[in-house]
Amino acid sequence: DSGVTQTPKHLITATGQRVTLRCSPRSGDLSVYWYQQSLDQGLQFLIQYYNGEERAKGNILERFSAQQFPDLHSELNLSSLELGDSALYFCASSVGRAQNTGELFFGEGSRLTVL
Amino acid sequence: GEDVEQSLFLSVREGDSSVINCTYTDSSSTYLYWYKQEPGAGLQLLTYIFSNMDMKQDQRLTVLLNKKDKHLSLRIADTQTGDSAIYFCAETPYSSASKIIFGSGTRLSIRP
Repeated sequence: DSGVTQTPKHLITATGQRVTLRCSPRSGDLSVYWYQQSLDQGLQFLIQYYNGEERAKGNILERFSAQQFPDLHSELNLSSLELGDSALYFCASSVGRAQNTGELFFGEGSRLTVL
Repeated sequence: GEDVEQSLFLSVREGDSSVINCTYTDSSSTYLYWYKQEPGAGLQLLTYIFSNMDMKQDQRLTVLLNKKDKHLSLRIADTQTGDSAIYFCAETPYSSASKIIFGSGTRLSIRP
């Protein structure tokens, strides 16, 4: 158990819909990262938050947004869903903004299926 | 640009050594990592190597770094069925220490 909790574990929805994925980081971790894992794209970095503020942005679509709340949990919002958004979405956390050893602690992921 | 490449599949016989290879493009990478993803689970850090090191050994795992060729490898000695997983190579680019770039992962399967 990594200490990172993601909900829901599985989600099936239709094109055009909006979903919210939730992540609770490890106790004490200030940084939260979101990744998308799909069969043809591998593991893609989406966005990082540190102590409530956005710190780095990767290949995140404009239809997607995220935030980190004062209690450090984070939500990833996916809107106007398309078939190609079907993927496994991982949240990871780490202690701080600067990566010393680079260890990220991953949740088990939320599997999104768009029909 | 920042890019990490790995072969997608590797199949080895149980008891043999597995060698998973990775190439990266950012010569200023500070840390390079190997993560393991077991079926139905998230990624878990296996080991890491700092860029001023050539080799790191940890029990059955040996990491070799060739900075000149920007090549990283992970050797698993005496491969067991429990080693079946996807192995991700990753780097931290000096230019963006706040994010880690992952390769596409190598799926290791074990033959009896």
